[in-house]
Amino acid sequence: AQSVAQPEDQVNVAEGNPLTVKCTYSVSGNPYLFWYVQYPNRGLQFLLKYITGDNLVKGSYGFEAEFNKSQTSFHLKKPSALVSDSALYFCAVRDGGAGSYQLTFGKGTKLSVIP
Amino acid sequence: DAGVIQSPRHEVTEMGQEVTLRCKPISGHDYLFWYRQTMMRGLELLIYFNNNVPIDDSGMPEDRFSAKMPNASFSTLKIQPSEPRDSAVYFCASSSRQVVPYNEQFFGPGTRLTVL
Repeated sequence: AQSVAQPEDQVNVAEGNPLTVKCTYSVSGNPYLFWYVQYPNRGLQFLLKYITGDNLVKGSYGFEAEFNKSQTSFHLKKPSALVSDSALYFCAVRDGGAGSYQLTFGKGTKLSVIP
Repeated sequence: DAGVIQSPRHEVTEMGQEVTLRCKPISGHDYLFWYRQTMMRGLELLIYFNNNVPIDDSGMPEDRFSAKMPNASFSTLKIQPSEPRDSAVYFCASSSRQVVPYNEQFFGPGTRLTVL
């Protein structure tokens, strides 16, 4: 079984400040980890992924995420938040060693960037 | 590519009516996923197909829900009869192990269903 936890329903940050959106996961095999963003009335858009290699992954729109195997975490970060980053963010995991291509999503974290 | 296409974008119906949601995946993708999103339950996987064959339908809430994929470019999700608790946004996503390494999924814009 695989699962994702996003412990914060909402994160508020001032424009220009660094932001972090937290994610922890549980999976039997090798974790494939993803971040998606959803803007109002839109579908989910892929931001970045970790499959293997460097623990720091860079993605779209200046976002990055750090894979920490010992803490089973994959937190999303950005050095300087923009108002346009305000959206709903989803972390997702799948077992890279399993035959299933099913992604399990967290419940989402609403990010509000305050001007 | 136009991306994943879903229709209709909005659907308002009355309880007891049949509802059919449609999805056209990205050309060349061989995986298709149907999700439901609500405030209470978040994003739930309902069913997914590989090469037009249903692989896992354990997320389908009950027999009122059915999904088909008659060919590689079209899928439907049907609710019959519909109930107010089915009101949600339904997303279709597609992917491909060959075309997209590691199988990240591409989502359509969703269908917002309201059952009165």
